[in-house]
Amino acid sequence: DAGVIQSPRHEVTEMGQEVTLRCKPISGHNSLFWYRQTMMRGLELLIYFNNNVPIDDSGMPEDRFSAKMPNASFSTLKIQPSEPRDSAVYFCASSSKETQYFGPGTRLLVL
Amino acid sequence: KQEVTQIPAALSVPEGENLVLNCSFTDSAIYNLQWFRQDPGKGLTSLLLIQSSQREQTSGRLNASLDKSSGRSTLYIAASQPGDSATYLCAVRRKGGSEKLVFGKGTKLTVNP
Repeated sequence: DAGVIQSPRHEVTEMGQEVTLRCKPISGHNSLFWYRQTMMRGLELLIYFNNNVPIDDSGMPEDRFSAKMPNASFSTLKIQPSEPRDSAVYFCASSSKETQYFGPGTRLLVL
Repeated sequence: KQEVTQIPAALSVPEGENLVLNCSFTDSAIYNLQWFRQDPGKGLTSLLLIQSSQREQTSGRLNASLDKSSGRSTLYIAASQPGDSATYLCAVRRKGGSEKLVFGKGTKLTVNP
């Protein structure tokens, strides 16, 4: 298996623009997680899905962030409008039991 | 609210040394604890997972222990190598069914040849 796939790997955008991050989990995994990593706050869970259903979105910062999982093999995290404080590395992870497998991350810079 | 702390934030050792990384957590009602490794510019890789009923887990030169009552875990690395240089993060999962992990900020380890 190719592991968790994320795209794009790098994104530079201007404040106010819409940003869409994409994730393909490992086939057969039924849980998917979106994390954000910054120097100040470390690694934080934003939202996770189980069997395509959002279970815990308490980490989503505000209404500008939204996540969807239309099917078992694809998820998106959207930021609209983006702000400079959203600059971070965003990770997607998936799991089938207890171990989470992380993707390589998307490094987002909002100017 | 669960808080996870890792001390020190950074550690530099010569090759061949045995070393211990520390992790503490505030809420002992955990389901399991995991140690991850993160290389620069990469995602996290799971190293060891300890269930709340276990005291330790071993994999090769790595040994992780768990003292749930005191809210502490250690990751012991034997005979360190330059390839062990990375950031090590611990994460706890609470009891109750949620799959949410709460992470520490990590210890950045440098093993010098």
